[in-house]
Amino acid sequence: AQSVTQLDSHVSVSEGTPVLLRCNYSSSYSPSLFWYVQHPNKGLQLLLKYTSAATLVKGINGFEAEFKKSETSFHLTKPSAHMSDAAEYFCVVSDEGDSGYSTLTFGKGTMLLVSP
Amino acid sequence: EAGVAQSPRYKIIEKRQSVAFWCNPISGHATLYWYQQILGQGPKLLIQFQNNGVVDDSQLPKDRFSAERLKGVDSTLKIQPAKLEDSAVYLCASSPRQGGALNTEAFFGQGTRLTVV
Repeated sequence: AQSVTQLDSHVSVSEGTPVLLRCNYSSSYSPSLFWYVQHPNKGLQLLLKYTSAATLVKGINGFEAEFKKSETSFHLTKPSAHMSDAAEYFCVVSDEGDSGYSTLTFGKGTMLLVSP
Repeated sequence: EAGVAQSPRYKIIEKRQSVAFWCNPISGHATLYWYQQILGQGPKLLIQFQNNGVVDDSQLPKDRFSAERLKGVDSTLKIQPAKLEDSAVYLCASSPRQGGALNTEAFFGQGTRLTVV
């Protein structure tokens, strides 16, 4: 069975400083991994995805993530935080379940707070 | 391209009443998901359809929740009777992924916020 652990429920940064949101996963297969962002009262939006090509993945709004198989991690980073980055971020794993169909499993989320 | 449409956006009901949510996925998407997101938690999969067949409903409380996908397109999720702990946001998502394809993301609607009082 697949699972995702987001190591921090809240992360606080100042505007202009780097962002690091940590994610570890467990999967019996070779997974795909995603990061989604959810702004208040908005739907979930895809930031980036890893699909077994390059291990360093670039996404929208300056975010990137690195897949490290040896560490079973997929941490999300951004060099310089912007006020508009304040939102909740979800790490998601997808692998082939026992049914032969792929499913998406979400972590519990990390709330990113950005102060001026 | 039109996104995933859900209605209603908000619903308030009393416990033991019934409620239904509707989802219209992106045209041509084979896979449709219903997730439940309780405040402060990540979305939890309730049911996953591939075309009009169910491929995963292991976390659906079948004594009170039901879902169908009509002709492999629109879907409805029903709760009868509702409990206080069903208060949550119900998210519908769709994906063009087929079968075991892993690398295709899901596209989410804005959700229906259900409050049970």
